[in-house]
Order: sequence, then C-alpha cells, then structure tokens
Amino acid sequence: DSGVTQTPKHLITATGQRVTLRCSPRSGDLSVYWYQQSLDQGLQFLIQYYNGEERAKGNILERFSAQQFPDLHSELNLSSLELGDSALYFCASSVRDRSYNEQFFGPGTRLTVL
Amino acid sequence: KNQVEQSPQSLIILEGKNCTLQCNYTVSPFSNLRWYKQDTGRGPVSLTIMTFSENTKSNGRYTATLDADTKQSSLHITASQLSDSASYICVVRLVGISNFGNEKLTFGTGTRLTIIP
Repeated sequence: DSGVTQTPKHLITATGQRVTLRCSPRSGDLSVYWYQQSLDQGLQFLIQYYNGEERAKGNILERFSAQQFPDLHSELNLSSLELGDSALYFCASSVRDRSYNEQFFGPGTRLTVL
Repeated sequence: KNQVEQSPQSLIILEGKNCTLQCNYTVSPFSNLRWYKQDTGRGPVSLTIMTFSENTKSNGRYTATLDADTKQSSLHITASQLSDSASYICVVRLVGISNFGNEKLTFGTGTRLTIIP
C-alpha cells in the first residue's frame, strides 16, 4: 500500500459524459501527478500540481482538467468523453516537486466509456 | 518515435532463472532514470533510481545498471520468482528548467515479464 488513495476504483459511463476522478496523496506529500494508461500502452503523464499550483503539463487533452485543493487532494475532470478515453488513470504523489523525488502511485481508477 | 525504448517487449522465463531487461533512451539533458515494477491492474512501484553519475544500484534480487555515455540501462533479475511476473517500466527524467525541477518524464512502454513454474 503506497498511501495514495484513488476513488472510484471503477467507473463506467457513456460517450459525451463528464466524470471526476479523485486522488488523496500520501500524508506530507505536496506534489500530485496524473497519468493515463491505455490498454497495452505505456504510462502517459498528464499533469502535475505542487501545493495547489499547476507545475507541469504533459499530454493532457483540452477536454481534461485538474486541480489540487488546499487540503492537497486532487481531482481530474474528464469531459465530452470518447471511447478512446477508456483507460486506467493513476495518481501519484511525492514529497516535493524536485526531479529526484520518488513518486508513489495509487491503485488507479479504471474508466470504461461505452 | 519513443525516446525511451525497452526490449524485449515481452519475456517468458522459468522460475529460478535470471534475466536482463534493456532500456535505451535518447532524451536529454538527463536527470535520472528509474525502473518501476507494475503488477497487472496496479500502480507502478519504484525499484531503483539512478542519477547520471551512478553506474549500478541494487534492490534485493534486482540490479540496475546505467551507462550515461551510451544512454543505456539494464535491469537484471536474479533467481526469478513467480511474483516477479509483471511489467517493468523504464522512466527517464529530464533536467528541469526551474530550480524546483519541472517534472518532465518520458516513459518506456515496458517489458512484460512472465515467470513460469
């Protein structure tokens, strides 16, 4: 158990809908990262937050957005969902945002878009 | 073309045997390289982290090597166990452009390792 929690575990929805994924980092960690992993694909970095502020952006679509709240939990919002958005979405956290900081991954949310 | 290439894509070996997984990268400037183990449907777990100045690092039966000149890394697993069955992911981190380190990561697509009894 990494100490990172993600809810829900599974999510099934229809195309065109909007969903929110939630992540709680490890106690004391200030940085949160979101990743997407499609079937048989590698992890794609989406976005990083540090202490409430956006720190880095990866391959995040305009239909996706995220935020980190004052209590440091984070939410990833996915809108106008398409079939291709079906994937595992992982959240990770680290103590700081330094390049050497180890990231601890949550168990993931499996999103299925029908 | 992915800037982090891993080989082989998949590997099947007998329990108790050793194996070596490869990671070649072209991204630069390079900050550090990590190997992760990802069980099916679970989040990745870090095995080793190496900076450009480190040549080798061990974590139990896992030993990672790094040659920053040739931009190659390998992960050697000794005396494999059934629980080693997983995907192994190589991740290269770029140097940040700010003092805090911009988290620019490039992930390999992983090697799927299967250990059979």
